[in-house]
Amino acid sequence: DSGVTQTPKHLITATGQRVTLRCSPRSGDLSVYWYQQSLDQGLQFLIQYYNGEERAKGNILERFSAQQFPDLHSELNLSSLELGDSALYFCASSVGKSGGPIQETQYFGPGTRLLVL
Amino acid sequence: AQKVTQAQTEISVVEKEDVTLDCVYETRDTTYYLFWYKQPPSGELVFLIRRNSFDEQNEISGRYSWNFQKSTSSFNFTITASQVVDSAVYFCALSAHLTGGYQKVTFGTGTKLQVIP
Repeated sequence: DSGVTQTPKHLITATGQRVTLRCSPRSGDLSVYWYQQSLDQGLQFLIQYYNGEERAKGNILERFSAQQFPDLHSELNLSSLELGDSALYFCASSVGKSGGPIQETQYFGPGTRLLVL
Repeated sequence: AQKVTQAQTEISVVEKEDVTLDCVYETRDTTYYLFWYKQPPSGELVFLIRRNSFDEQNEISGRYSWNFQKSTSSFNFTITASQVVDSAVYFCALSAHLTGGYQKVTFGTGTKLQVIP
């Protein structure tokens, strides 16, 4: 158990809809990262937050947004969903001491599997 | 352009054999980070190692070792005395900073390792 929790585990929705994925980092970790893993695109880094602020942005679509709240949990919002958004979405956390993106040991949650029909 | 190539799609070894997973990368950046991740059949992601471009020292962690060679743009991963629990998909990744807070992260397509008892 990495200590990172993600909800829900599975999500089935329809095209055009909006969903919110939630991530709770390990206790004390300040950085949260979001990744997408799909059959078409493979693994992709989406975005990183550090102590409530966006720190680094990867291949995140404009239809997607994220935020990190004062209690350090993070939410990834996916809107106007398309079939191609079906994927496994991972959240990871790290201590964040360096403040830099993806430069530290990351601990991954179990993922949220999204299916868009 | 940034690229990570894991030419070995699948590898099968018999338990206790040594196995090397290859990772070749391309980048124009002088400062970058290299990573290896493990994804067992259960689906979670496990962070294994990060290496920055200025540190070419090889690293050993138990049965795992990594060989970073800038001259050949390679960051290979060797498992010594493989075990069935090593069966997983292994991903190599490269990250570099871009302007404007963007992080370019490129994952390889993964190498599926099957360790046969």
